[in-house]
Amino acid sequence: QQQVKQSPQSLIVQKGGISIINCAYENTAFDYFPWYQQFPGKGPALLIAIRPDVSEKKEGRFTISFNKSAKQFSLHIMDSQPGDSATYFCAAAGTALIFGKGTTLSVSS
Amino acid sequence: DTAVSQTPKYLVTQMGNDKSIKCEQNLGHDTMYWYKQDSKKFLKIMFSYNNKELIINETVPNRFSPKSPDKAHLNLHINSLELGDSAVYFCASSRRDRTGGYTFGSGTRLTVV
Repeated sequence: QQQVKQSPQSLIVQKGGISIINCAYENTAFDYFPWYQQFPGKGPALLIAIRPDVSEKKEGRFTISFNKSAKQFSLHIMDSQPGDSATYFCAAAGTALIFGKGTTLSVSS
Repeated sequence: DTAVSQTPKYLVTQMGNDKSIKCEQNLGHDTMYWYKQDSKKFLKIMFSYNNKELIINETVPNRFSPKSPDKAHLNLHINSLELGDSAVYFCASSRRDRTGGYTFGSGTRLTVV
């Protein structure tokens, strides 16, 4: 049973465009929703996170939108850059982080 | 200073061998974890330790045994290695309330031949 569903699996965006990755969760006990960025050969690095009492959080070019009633959240990357090309994981935390299956983002120049 | 460090970075070994991966964090976190990332990049929780006490033990073969000598260290010992154990293993740590998120190590790529 997959507790966190992530889409799309891969995404190609032009430089300067908006990248959008969506996630849905099932367990209403989750209380912390981070996004991680992973480059090849590296460990996942925390990008931005949100708690369920907030509907949106913005840090620089990265924004999380959170819809508690729909049990969905998304990551928006504005003005996408080639350096943003990486794998992105959404996650939800109860006693541990449960990850989505990841989205490979390619930003073309 | 590396926040979460794992050794070794690469490990190539034959089937049937026993191997260990070491993890240390200098962040003062209370909780440490082991995650397995498969060839499709899926990250799955294996174990969680809080202050040297086992909190989570997901469905993992009992050939895998975590050991936490103190709250800054969490080692993973694997007995009788199998081909299917080939993966990247990540150690991570967090505060109990997850303030600041989970910090991951750079991973250990285990290849069983």
